[in-house]
Amino acid sequence: KQEVTQIPAALSVPEGENLVLNCSFTDSAIYNLQWFRQDPGKGLTSLLLIQSSQREQTSGRLNASLDKSSGRSTLYIAASQPGDSATYLCAVAKGAQKLVFGQGTRLTINP
Amino acid sequence: EADIYQTPRYLVIGTGKKITLECSQTMGHDKMYWYQQDPGMELHLIHYSYGVNSTEKGDLSSESTVSRIRTEHFPLTLESARPSHTSQYLCASSTGTGVYGNTIYFGEGSWLTVV
Repeated sequence: KQEVTQIPAALSVPEGENLVLNCSFTDSAIYNLQWFRQDPGKGLTSLLLIQSSQREQTSGRLNASLDKSSGRSTLYIAASQPGDSATYLCAVAKGAQKLVFGQGTRLTINP
Repeated sequence: EADIYQTPRYLVIGTGKKITLECSQTMGHDKMYWYQQDPGMELHLIHYSYGVNSTEKGDLSSESTVSRIRTEHFPLTLESARPSHTSQYLCASSTGTGVYGNTIYFGEGSWLTVV
């Protein structure tokens, strides 16, 4: 059974810092891995999707990496801003779009 | 911005009532999903559909049912609500045309409280 773990559960950093969020999964046979952002009381917004054949994806200040063999992914956020405060969720697709989610990392950026 | 809509956003109902959570998308996506999320916990897939007249149960057992009569609609129904059904329900859709999957788009969620 695929299990997804995100560490840390919560993170608080000063504005402007670069930071890394971690995601690990137990079964390396995945179709893709996605990072999402969830704001309080809202749905999820897809940030980055990494196909199983890729090693990283970049979008603006965000960079996500994927190491399938070790079952790990990282989300790097550069020059953090207060607007980046949210819960960040990692999910792996074990079949065509059947996602297994981690519990998320609650990120707070302090002005 | 994703064109996927859920209604109602917030609902408080009494035990034993029947409720339907609506979900519609205007992107023409074949694949649609319902996830359940308790506060501070992971999302769990409870239903999915790969197209019209196709529905399957997800990984988490749920007493709810779904239907997919039209591509754009994927309603979820609870015939007799119980307090244990209190949760956030998130609808999602994707094109599913890629071999390894495509970006999935989520609605803003329906918060259900059963008293």
